[in-house]
Amino acid sequence: GEDVEQSLFLSVREGDSSVINCTYTDSSSTYLYWYKQEPGAGLQLLTYIFSNMDMKQDQRLTVLLNKKDKHLSLRIADTQTGDSAIYFCAETVSGGYNKLIFGAGTRLAVHP
Amino acid sequence: ETGVTQTPRHLVMGMTNKKSLKCEQHLGHNAMYWYKQSAKKPLELMFVYSLEERVENNSVPSRFSPECPNSSHLFLHLHTLQPEDSALYLCASSQQGNQPQHFGDGTRLSIL
Repeated sequence: GEDVEQSLFLSVREGDSSVINCTYTDSSSTYLYWYKQEPGAGLQLLTYIFSNMDMKQDQRLTVLLNKKDKHLSLRIADTQTGDSAIYFCAETVSGGYNKLIFGAGTRLAVHP
Repeated sequence: ETGVTQTPRHLVMGMTNKKSLKCEQHLGHNAMYWYKQSAKKPLELMFVYSLEERVENNSVPSRFSPECPNSSHLFLHLHTLQPEDSALYLCASSQQGNQPQHFGDGTRLSIL
């Protein structure tokens, strides 16, 4: 069935790089997304990658896609305290409309 | 994310009350979504409207009743809810097809 898995927690030191990993199951996914959720807020779209791409870079964010292994990662360079949040990976699944399946989220804690 | 606005931000209600959650999008999108976010569970898709027609009803109890009067507005009518319905209810919108979903900040619902 459709499933997206992420590790639940990541702790990094301010200034280091963070790498959040995700695995998904639907090989027909056309887009894969990363969302960020800060306390008391909704989900903010961070970036997304089309399935025929291997990598996408957007300022401090780098997304890597290994389609063979169905593995997606989000790298945050020079991690700041403002990056502390929950990060959700999501895949599109076929179904006639833009249906997303979300992972449980990875809580990123940035410490001095 | 000011493109999708949800009201109220917080709602406390008794199990016998009737209330409605409202969502409004200013992005010109033609699909709208309701999600439920509970503690320690992945985001759950509840309902999807595409071009003002409901295209997904994800086995949601009838005590939740959605309404989409036009492409910019989405409501979730609540009646005789249970304590386990306490959660963050998120609204999202997108263009049809594989376009990213944009989320509001949610309504935090507490059932007494």
